[in-house]
Amino acid sequence: GAGVSQTPSNKVTEKGKYVELRCDPISGHTALYWYRQSLGQGPEFLIYFQGTGAADDSGLPNDRFFAVRPEGSVSTLKIQRTERGDSAVYLCASSPTTSGRSSEQFFGPGTRLTVL
Amino acid sequence: GDSVTQMEGPVTLSEEAFLTINCTYTATGYPSLFWYVQYPGEGLQLLLKATKADDKGSNKGFEATYRKETTSFHLEKGSVQVSDSAVYFCALSVPSGGSNYKLTFGKGTLLTVNP
Repeated sequence: GAGVSQTPSNKVTEKGKYVELRCDPISGHTALYWYRQSLGQGPEFLIYFQGTGAADDSGLPNDRFFAVRPEGSVSTLKIQRTERGDSAVYLCASSPTTSGRSSEQFFGPGTRLTVL
Repeated sequence: GDSVTQMEGPVTLSEEAFLTINCTYTATGYPSLFWYVQYPGEGLQLLLKATKADDKGSNKGFEATYRKETTSFHLEKGSVQVSDSAVYFCALSVPSGGSNYKLTFGKGTLLTVNP
């Protein structure tokens, strides 16, 4: 079975542009998480989806960041008016909800975003 | 809030040496604890986990014991191999809002094992 996939693997954009990052979770996983990993740091939580709804978006840094999961599977992270500080690796993870406290999150390879 | 502090790297060892990577945490509730590993060129993957106090997680010769009294979850391996070279992340999750198990990570520790 396929793991979590993310596209593109690399994205270079100019300051002020709009970008979309895509995540394809493992089939059947209802929980989906986005994290951001800056150089030399651990991943930081951005947003959590249970099914189609964003159940926790407390980690989004500001209103330039938005994410959707319209059919409860693929998710898109959208960043408006990109800034150089948005440069990071954006990670997606999925999990079968029924696992409870021992839930393992399965991570994708990430999208490396560079804002020039 | 929740936080994880882990040993600063990088750590360089010779093959067959003993490994310890320290990890301590603060949590608002009763966390589950994890070690994730990132091999060169690969994505994050779960190495081991423990969900309650005194549990020991183990995998691939690595072990970590959930110590509630010292709020620690140190990673150990008795004899490292070159193939263990990777970045290791300690993490916790505290259930919030039903089935939300978002992870809080430490900064990561780069381990290099030389032959």
